[in-house]
Amino acid sequence: EAGVTQFPSHSVIEKGQTVTLRCDPISGHDNLYWYRRVMGKEIKFLLHFVKESKQDESGMPNNRFLAERTGGTYSTLKVQPAELEDSGVYFCASSRGSSEQYFGPGTRLTVT
Amino acid sequence: DQQVKQNSPSLSVQEGRISILNCDYTNSMFDYFLWYKKYPAEGPTFLISISSIKDKNEDGRFTVFLNKSAKHLSLHIVPSQPGDSAVYFCAASEYNTDKLIFGTGTRLQVFP
Repeated sequence: EAGVTQFPSHSVIEKGQTVTLRCDPISGHDNLYWYRRVMGKEIKFLLHFVKESKQDESGMPNNRFLAERTGGTYSTLKVQPAELEDSGVYFCASSRGSSEQYFGPGTRLTVT
Repeated sequence: DQQVKQNSPSLSVQEGRISILNCDYTNSMFDYFLWYKKYPAEGPTFLISISSIKDKNEDGRFTVFLNKSAKHLSLHIVPSQPGDSAVYFCAASEYNTDKLIFGTGTRLQVFP
């Protein structure tokens, strides 16, 4: 069974530009989550999809962040326009029901 | 306001000895606790969990203890092996939510 995959693994962009991160969950997992780790701090929850619906988006920092999961398969997280404080590692996770969450390898975003 | 705290950023243990990683929380609504292990350039990997109705859960070399009155949990690894060297994250969730709240992690180094 393939794990959670994320693309790209690393992105370097300038302040003000747009970046789109992609996550492919484990096949059959209806639940998809986005988390972020900034500057070696704790991993923080961003949002949770159940299929294509946003179940909980309480962790989204502001309206520069837009997450979508059209068709209930893969998800994208767009940051527009990017700011310096958006730098960090963005993790995606998926789960079947309310079971353990399987994390992807993360996308390291650097905003210069 | 950090609800899950791992006050030891690092821990060094000799191979074969016991490793004890600690975690404190402040939110009395947490009812499910997890430990994740993370290697560099990889996503967190689920290790072991415990429900608030229990005070101990064991899986091979890994045991998690929960002290609800003290709002404290710990992960015991015995015997420790060099392959256990990684960053360990404590996480918690409230009843009926999948949102994980993570601590800042403890870097464990097991030396020969």
